[in-house]
Parts: sequence; structure tokens; C-alpha cells
Amino acid sequence: NAGVTQTPKFRILKIGQSMTLQCTQDMNHNYMYWYRQDPGMGLKLIYYSVGAGITDKGEVPNGYNVSRSTTEDFPLRLELAAPSQTSVYFCATATGGYGYTFGSGTRLTVV
Amino acid sequence: DQQVKQNSPSLSVQEGRISILNCDYTNSMFDYFLWYKKYPAEGPTFLISISSIKDKNEDGRFTVFLNKSAKHLSLHIVPSQPGDSAVYFCAASVGTASKLTFGTGTRLQVTL
Repeated sequence: NAGVTQTPKFRILKIGQSMTLQCTQDMNHNYMYWYRQDPGMGLKLIYYSVGAGITDKGEVPNGYNVSRSTTEDFPLRLELAAPSQTSVYFCATATGGYGYTFGSGTRLTVV
Repeated sequence: DQQVKQNSPSLSVQEGRISILNCDYTNSMFDYFLWYKKYPAEGPTFLISISSIKDKNEDGRFTVFLNKSAKHLSLHIVPSQPGDSAVYFCAASVGTASKLTFGTGTRLQVTL
């Protein structure tokens, strides 16, 4: 049982490049979330989804886009990478009431 | 505006002793609180939760206390073990099926 799978685990991007962080879950959870964690900071919510076809902005959505065409997948898109987007990105799922299940994270460096 | 605050960035405790991690919140609408544990290079894992209708919840060595009037919760780990060394995040939400707001984390080191 894989749970929440994030790819890639590490990535270095140049300023202005774009990339997609992948998140796939096999738990049939409706709720999915993208968070970023900066050093010494808590997790900040970027985007979330309460089901396929429904997405909404979190606390820090600027510079990112998401889509949710299936229950299983919730990719996060960076269109024009900036150094401020250097962070560790976590995808999480929830079924409501029992806390989140997190993926192992993607460490992104923008140079 | 940090709605969930963990004012101690780090804590060191001897093995076998009690570890007490603290968390304060400012949003009075929060009614569900959780603690997560995070090891390096891994995602956070759920540890224990408490709803605002309770003031205490226990799970083995872990107990969470909630003081609603003070907007304060704490996590007690007794006895502390070396494997408990990790970063602990406090989180809160409005309702159980809602997005979580996280604190900045407390790094716990349990020494021999």
C-alpha cells in the first residue's frame, strides 16, 4: 500500500524554468493538499482540493497552479520558477476527521 | 499573522523523563487540534489529536492537553525515548474536515 507518492524527490531548477510536482494517492481520499515548508517555518498551504474537479487557493498560492482531474492525482505546477520557491513541498490527503497522510516530500532548489 | 505558534524551536530531554511541547493559537474558531511528528527527509506523520469538547486525550505514552480559555495545548511524552527525537508540529482546524494551519515546529532531542 503506497499511500501518498510524490515525485521527484529532488530537483534543481534554473530561474524562469517550469516544472510539475507529481502527487498520487491510492487511498481513495477526497481531500488533497499541497504545502511548502521553508527552513524554521511551519507548513504553509499552497492549494487544496476537496474532490476531483474542485480546487481552491490556500495561504501562499502565487506562482503555482494545480489541477484535479482524478481522485488519485493532484499535480502542482510552477510556471516561472523563482528563488523564493526554493522549499520542500509536501502533498497530503485526508478523508476528514482523522488527520492528514503526507507524502515524503520534494526538495526543490531554484538557482 | 501566525495563528498557531510554537514558541520553543528546540527542546532537549533525557531518556526516561517527560517531554512537554507547547502550542498556542489565536483563532478562537479552531476546534480540532493535532500533533504531527517529522523525521528528516520524511513527511510528517499523524501522532494524536483532540477536539475542543475534550480537555485531554491519551494514546500510550502520548497525551495532549487542551486549555481553551488560554488557547493553549501541550503534548506530553512519558517516558521519552531516543526514537522520539524529531520535529513536532502542532496543527489546528475549524472542523475535522478542513484545512490545517500548522505551527513552526519544535525540535525534540532525547538524550541518553
